[in-house]
Amino acid sequence: NAGVTQTPKFQVLKTGQSMTLQCAQDMNHEYMSWYRQDPGMGLRLIHYSVGAGITDQGEVPNGYNVSRSTTEDFPLRLLSAAPSQTSVYFCASSTGTGTYGYTFGSGTRLTVV
Amino acid sequence: AQSVTQLGSHVSVSEGALVLLRCNYSSSVPPYLFWYVQYPNQGLQLLLKYTSAATLVKGINGFEAEFKKSETSFHLTKPSAHMSDAAEYFCAVSDRKGYQKVTFGIGTKLQVIP
Repeated sequence: NAGVTQTPKFQVLKTGQSMTLQCAQDMNHEYMSWYRQDPGMGLRLIHYSVGAGITDQGEVPNGYNVSRSTTEDFPLRLLSAAPSQTSVYFCASSTGTGTYGYTFGSGTRLTVV
Repeated sequence: AQSVTQLGSHVSVSEGALVLLRCNYSSSVPPYLFWYVQYPNQGLQLLLKYTSAATLVKGINGFEAEFKKSETSFHLTKPSAHMSDAAEYFCAVSDRKGYQKVTFGIGTKLQVIP
């Protein structure tokens, strides 16, 4: 019963570096999303996917890229890290109807220096 | 566009006292509403949800919330606070259409004073 697994838990990047945050779920959920959490701002949607091969932008997509080649995996790519991307990133998944709410991963704390 | 407003970014209560965390929503259609809890250094966990069944919704850990359409509110309550309730609480809304994007409030940090 792993739920949603995010790796790594912590990461420090230098400005301009790229990296991929991994997210995997084992619940056969159709919907997967990436949020970033910043103090005083709640959670803001970066990108989401309604199924394998289908992705779309959320509220704050700039500087991030996603793909969904399988139902289970939804990686988030930072193309060229900037200090403004220092944040805690959460991956979440849900069933197609959305009525059951999200299952969240434990988060990745990213610092860009 | 849908939105939620959480009144009070920090709330302090004494152990054993009533917990009341306020949430007002804005939505053009009947919404789904959620409360999540986040303990330090953890992800969010679903506390309870309203999806148009009973307006008084009971969740985990003794929490409940009442959907009041006339007041566009979905306040979270617990009769008696416990030390373990200290956490950050997020109200969220989705609009039931298509993907049903979920919009979160900014969160309320609950401090429980012994």
